[in-house]
Amino acid sequence: DAGITQSPRHKVTETGTPVTLRCHQTENHRYMYWYRQDPGHGLRLIHYSYGVKDTDKGEVSDGYSVSRSKTEDFLLTLESATSSQTSVYFCAINKRLEGSTDTQYFGPGTRLTVL
Amino acid sequence: AQKITQTQPGMFVQEKEAVTLDCTYDTSDPSYGLFWYKQPSSGEMIFLIYQGSYDQQNATEGRYSLNFQKARKSANLVISASQLGDSAMYFCAMREGGSNTGKLIFGQGTTLQVKP
Repeated sequence: DAGITQSPRHKVTETGTPVTLRCHQTENHRYMYWYRQDPGHGLRLIHYSYGVKDTDKGEVSDGYSVSRSKTEDFLLTLESATSSQTSVYFCAINKRLEGSTDTQYFGPGTRLTVL
Repeated sequence: AQKITQTQPGMFVQEKEAVTLDCTYDTSDPSYGLFWYKQPSSGEMIFLIYQGSYDQQNATEGRYSLNFQKARKSANLVISASQLGDSAMYFCAMREGGSNTGKLIFGQGTTLQVKP
């Protein structure tokens, strides 16, 4: 258990409305990530953070913004949701176990439907 | 550009038999890491096994082993003695060693069904 929670777990919204997804971690990890999962594409990186107020874009960042004002929280915002943003969203942290390498551990996911 | 390819959309295996899930990758970075994750129908992503590009031996973790063939750029996951609980989607992922961001590139996934 990597101590990651995501909220909400499910959300249905309408096109054009703003949506914010929250990722919360309890272990003070520096790196946090947001991915989206779509059939046929695996997981694709949206944005990531390497510290408080330090963020950068991933492969599919258009239409998304992020913020990290506290180490434990990483927020993903869809400013104006579109149907193409219907997806499952995963948050992840980078964690190094003893004697191993940095490994990403994932939250439970948020299923977002944009009508 | 780095890329991960999983060419088997779906696989079937009989319970108690071994199965190999294919993964090929492409990168120009000599230092990289390869990961396998399992996603059961409940949806969570579970880390299974890791192989570093400089590791001399194939990684093993219980019933999971990684058949790492560097020259062929392949990192196939071998599951021995399949169990019904192994039915899930499996993702191969790569992290380039030159990057300190830890970003992963994922393949499209392979769905494994274990038959009783």
